Amino acid sequence: SYEVTQPLSVSVALGQTAKITCGGSNIGSKYVHWYQQKPGQAPVLLIYRDNNRPSGIPERFSASNSGTTATLTITRAEAGDEADYFCQVWDSSIGVVFGGGTKLTVL
Amino acid sequence: DVQLVESGGGLVEPGGSIRLSCAGTGFIFNNAWMNWVRQAPGKGLEWVGRIKGRTDGETADYAAPVKGRFTISRDDSKNTLFLQMNSLKTEDSAVYYCATPNGDPIYHAFDLWGQGTVVTVFS
Repeated sequence: SYEVTQPLSVSVALGQTAKITCGGSNIGSKYVHWYQQKPGQAPVLLIYRDNNRPSGIPERFSASNSGTTATLTITRAEAGDEADYFCQVWDSSIGVVFGGGTKLTVL
Repeated sequence: DVQLVESGGGLVEPGGSIRLSCAGTGFIFNNAWMNWVRQAPGKGLEWVGRIKGRTDGETADYAAPVKGRFTISRDDSKNTLFLQMNSLKTEDSAVYYCATPNGDPIYHAFDLWGQGTVVTVFS
């Protein structure tokens, strides 16, 4: 089976840069997608195929993927960025795999 | 508007069955690869399964925890996706979302989600 691992929580000061990681075996060979989920809401696609933003997603959100780690970067963090963030890959053997999620706190 | 709307959630006893629906509007439903994703209370997202679109044979794939108990189907004439859930367990309690990729479906990046419907399995 294939697993992706995220830190349970990340904290960032208002206006600073947050990085959320997503680890997996040779994850750099897979496409990684990132979602933001706020309480009581459905997830929202933030980044697709490693580093592409859907229309309407601010440029403050960016991502990279190489080796065993994919990283979501949020610059100039805002209070409204407080949410859970999930990475996701597709594995040909088991299907869609989500990371466990990271709770971002903006201090 | 492009949207997905789930329905059919509710309370069910262990071992029971329930069928969820997901109605799609504003996009070409019959070619869309439709997915179910669930989220247990306070937990992360878990993929349940997917059914491909008409041009790709409408075949379904399932996550291991639900294989053999859940069945995904679709009625393209009604732009509706279904999830038949049998032999339910307490650990199946979750918010169930339908979701679909708007772009190339092979990448499984879900940019369209429904609002979710809640299934609670309790004795």
